[in-house]
Amino acid sequence: GAVVSQHPSRVICKSGTSVKIECRSLDFQATTMFWYRQFPKQSLMLMATSNEGSKATYEQGVEKDKFLINHASLTLSTLTVTSAHPEDSSFYICSARGDRGIGEQFFGPGTRLTVL
Amino acid sequence: AQSVSQHNHHVILSEAASLELGCNYSYGGTVNLFWYVQYPGQHLQLLLKYFSGDPLVKGIKGFEAEFIKSKFSFNLRKPSVQWSDTAEYFCAVNARAGNMLTFGGGTRLMVKP
Repeated sequence: GAVVSQHPSRVICKSGTSVKIECRSLDFQATTMFWYRQFPKQSLMLMATSNEGSKATYEQGVEKDKFLINHASLTLSTLTVTSAHPEDSSFYICSARGDRGIGEQFFGPGTRLTVL
Repeated sequence: AQSVSQHNHHVILSEAASLELGCNYSYGGTVNLFWYVQYPGQHLQLLLKYFSGDPLVKGIKGFEAEFIKSKFSFNLRKPSVQWSDTAEYFCAVNARAGNMLTFGGGTRLMVKP
């Protein structure tokens, strides 16, 4: 199946710093990428949807100025958590969908962010 | 808006027991339906999916799910679970007309050896 990678897998940072998370589709072109957040023992919550070359669509309650998403190519999307605070600590997961997959998303392994 | 509910939050079974995890969704239009599994420390993996056709879908590792349109349900089943099935299971729905994949709250399955 299609492979999606994320980097880094784990990051610890001080409050106030910005953190960039990369999501790459390794063997297919992802026209659409999705960013999710998963709190401990909870389900995935969609944060935003990004289409290559256009602005991301954010879900209600997600601050677009805080969570900057860039989908500059068909294989790469980045999520930047700006001025991170402890409440931003979470597990961030990306997924990607190509042209051929009807509705099917392939998930990355996730990035655990801890803000001290 | 679409929503997905999974009725069982935690399930504990002994090996060889049969499994059925409930999933109901609310959406009036045509949907694609998925079950994902997340093993401890690993990322989400697709177990099976339903787009159209035979409502009984067979997936990997002996899992199957049945789409019952009249009940808006897509329950996951396995006749005989193994210890290695210990994981969290997520039902998800994607409205055919849209992009968004909506997840249920997840069911944490523990299989005792």
